[in-house]
Amino acid sequence: EVQLVESGGGLEPPGGSLRLSCAASGFTFTNYAMSWVRQAPGKGLEWVSGLSGSGDSKYYADSVKGRFTISRDNSKNTLYLQMNSLRAEDTAIYYCAKDRLEHAHPSGFDYWGQGTLVTVSS
Amino acid sequence: SYELTQPPSVSVSPGQTASITCSGDTLGDRYACWYQQKPGRSPVLVIYQDGKRPSGIPERFSGSKSGNTATLTISGTQAMDEADYYCQAWDIRSVVIFGGGTKLTVL
Repeated sequence: EVQLVESGGGLEPPGGSLRLSCAASGFTFTNYAMSWVRQAPGKGLEWVSGLSGSGDSKYYADSVKGRFTISRDNSKNTLYLQMNSLRAEDTAIYYCAKDRLEHAHPSGFDYWGQGTLVTVSS
Repeated sequence: SYELTQPPSVSVSPGQTASITCSGDTLGDRYACWYQQKPGRSPVLVIYQDGKRPSGIPERFSGSKSGNTATLTISGTQAMDEADYYCQAWDIRSVVIFGGGTKLTVL
């Protein structure tokens, strides 16, 4: 059974940093690209960043480019999102999501975690 | 930047057919996916590659595309189908784009 479990969310002041983690199980992690998708309170889905299975190819939304860094540790089956220079508009639930096809991004997200809440406020 | 446009809301009576559209420049050149999200829950993939259904998704969910408009159709809509629905595609830089979402109300 595929499972994605996010952690690391919390309350941070503007300008602060957080690192989110997503622990994956139930599939061959290294074969699949992964992404982070966020949802501000009462708003729609916004893709944040994606990373190939090998970690060689990284993709970012313009809204986070230069502030957020996506990475993965395939030995630990874990995806990360380092978030720096946080802004109030980064407040959202952050989901990790698995690409549907092996060795292909993007191909649609067939599994999602339960999300972790990030609140940026003084 | 690339955008996908959905109607904010759609209403349907139980047992009737609901259609939700998603339009975007050059959407005809790329695949669309659709997600269902119920309150307090994570999104669920209901359609991929324009019209394919993942295992476990009821047959009443179908997808199609004509030109630059993709459509999610729910036949014989049930009360449990009331949710937010999002279309999704990607641009030439492999940047993923979501539509603004459509709230489906089953009256």
